[in-house]
Amino acid sequence: AQSVTQLGSHVSVSEGALVLLRCNYSSSVPPYLFWYVQYPNQGLQLLLKYTSAATLVKGINGFEAEFKKSETSFHLTKPSAHMSDAAEYFCAVSDRGGGFKTIFGAGTRLFVKA
Amino acid sequence: KAGVTQTPRYLIKTRGQQVTLSCSPISGHRSVSWYQQTPGQGLQFLFEYFSETQRNKGNFPGRFSGRQFSNSRSEMNVSTLELGDSALYLCASSLLGQEQETQYFGPGTRLLVL
Repeated sequence: AQSVTQLGSHVSVSEGALVLLRCNYSSSVPPYLFWYVQYPNQGLQLLLKYTSAATLVKGINGFEAEFKKSETSFHLTKPSAHMSDAAEYFCAVSDRGGGFKTIFGAGTRLFVKA
Repeated sequence: KAGVTQTPRYLIKTRGQQVTLSCSPISGHRSVSWYQQTPGQGLQFLFEYFSETQRNKGNFPGRFSGRQFSNSRSEMNVSTLELGDSALYLCASSLLGQEQETQYFGPGTRLLVL
């Protein structure tokens, strides 16, 4: 069965510092992996996705993530945090075949200090 | 192109009542998925509809049901509401319902059950 674990329910960084949000997955077959961002009182917005092309995936707003099969990880990074990055971030996994049944992680709330 | 719209945005109901939530996908999108988001359980997959057929279903009781119309608009219904059904209900659409596609989320309907 698929599962997603996000390490750290809250992460705090200073403006300009590196952002690292951790995600590990479990899947019986090579999965599709996603990172979404949710701002207060809004729906989710896709940041980036891995669909078995390049293992280093670049997304919007300067975020990127690297798929590491040996570590079953898909950590999200951004070199320099901005105040506008403060939000909740969700890692998600979807198996291949049969349509959507996306499994989301518990989420990591990112705080950015001035 | 208009995004995913959900109505109503906010709703208050009492235990035992039933509720119907509506989702209009992006024009041309054929897949609609529903998710429940709560502080305790996080984001949980409810069901997915594609071309008016329920293709996938999450682990929710039969009180939760849905349907999709020929224009791809979708409704979900919750009967005999319980306090624990208080949540943000998110709808997402995708063009062809393929797992690697981007899902576009609506702003959600916030349901409060008293």
